[in-house]
Amino acid sequence: DVKVTQSSRYLVKRTGEKVFLECVQDMDHENMFWYRQDPGLGLRLIYFSYDVKMKEKGDIPEGYSVSREKKERFSLILESASTNQTSMYLCASSFPGLAGGQNIQYFGAGTRLSVL
Amino acid sequence: QKEVEQNSGPLSVPEGAIASLNCTYSDRVSQSFFWYRQYSGKSPELIMSIYSNGDKEDGRFTAQLNKASQYVSLLIRDSQPSDSATYLCAVRGTGGFKTIFGAGTRLFVKA
Repeated sequence: DVKVTQSSRYLVKRTGEKVFLECVQDMDHENMFWYRQDPGLGLRLIYFSYDVKMKEKGDIPEGYSVSREKKERFSLILESASTNQTSMYLCASSFPGLAGGQNIQYFGAGTRLSVL
Repeated sequence: QKEVEQNSGPLSVPEGAIASLNCTYSDRVSQSFFWYRQYSGKSPELIMSIYSNGDKEDGRFTAQLNKASQYVSLLIRDSQPSDSATYLCAVRGTGGFKTIFGAGTRLFVKA
């Protein structure tokens, strides 16, 4: 089974803190993604990475950065947490390519972050 | 116009009925289409993928794709209370790496 592991299920941080969310996958997937999910807004892509040290901005990258030093690990960084970053954060991974079962994204359990 | 649109629901059906979930998308050249199920407080999990026009069946689930109408649907036959969840439609185009998710439809199956 594909396993995508997020380091924390729940986090409470204070405004202005630097926050690290870690994600590890064990399927040798090239692609990794960070989303946030808010009620009524669905999943919104923050950043994605298609290879080690490669990253691309998603739809809502402001206030976030990412790091991918190893293929299996993709980190999301909130440089200075703000209350509007309170959300559920989901990490996902997939193989690249277009055919067949590729591009199916496998999700971690999510991290519910509260910024006070 | 949102890139992937779903009726937010909630959609309520009695146990044993057919639940019909619909999704429209704006990018005409989209190639890959997915339905994910998300239970409350859990992460999304894939239940169906479809890549060509027509129907694709897997157990109680049938995905239907009509690229000309830019429409994809999910039918759940013999709905069970355990099917109660939010169903996310996801669409991927030919280029790039992005998969666009709809906001999801909440389904309630009443026992």
